Amino acid sequence: DVKVTQSSRYLVKRTGEKVFLECVQDMDHENMFWYRQDPGLGLRLIYFSYDVKMKEKGDIPEGYSVSREKKERFSLILESASTNQTSMYLCASSKQGVSEKLFFGSGTQLSVL
Amino acid sequence: QQQVKQSPQSLIVQKGGISIINCAYENTAFDYFPWYQQFPGKGPALLIAIRPDVSEKKEGRFTISFNKSAKQFSLHIMDSQPGDSATYFCAAGPGDGNKLVFGAGTILRVKS
Repeated sequence: DVKVTQSSRYLVKRTGEKVFLECVQDMDHENMFWYRQDPGLGLRLIYFSYDVKMKEKGDIPEGYSVSREKKERFSLILESASTNQTSMYLCASSKQGVSEKLFFGSGTQLSVL
Repeated sequence: QQQVKQSPQSLIVQKGGISIINCAYENTAFDYFPWYQQFPGKGPALLIAIRPDVSEKKEGRFTISFNKSAKQFSLHIMDSQPGDSATYFCAAGPGDGNKLVFGAGTILRVKS
């Protein structure tokens, strides 16, 4: 069964901390995505990557960066966490050129205090 | 940012009834329109998707209706079941699916 695994289900951090959210997929997918989900706002794309070391900004990249050193792993970095980054973070992947279907992880609920 | 407007925010339907969720988009360049279903504690999962070359697509009890001129599309769930209770997101974007814009979501509750 295809799988997108996010390292933490819940995370509590302090304002100003550097935060790493990790995502691993086992499907050999080229594309990987980071979304944040907020009530009443749906899912908003932060960054996506279509290849190792390649990245593109999504709709809300401010305050975030990403890293993709290996095909199966895509990390979201909050350089200096702020309270307005408290949210559910969802990682997803898809197979390039074959299907547009996104496979999502179960999410990381991040609270910044 | 191009928006996708989704309504209603929440919906309560009796078992066996029809659930209808509507979405409207702005960008005429969009040509891929999926619906995702999300259960509590899980990530969204693709339910059904349509491209603008057809006006309707049906998979089991789930149907997408698409109106290109009005820039609207909707999800119909026939014979709604309690197991359909979930949050539903519409989305729209380019054909490769890489920069989807999602609606705000609809919380569906099917009463038994």
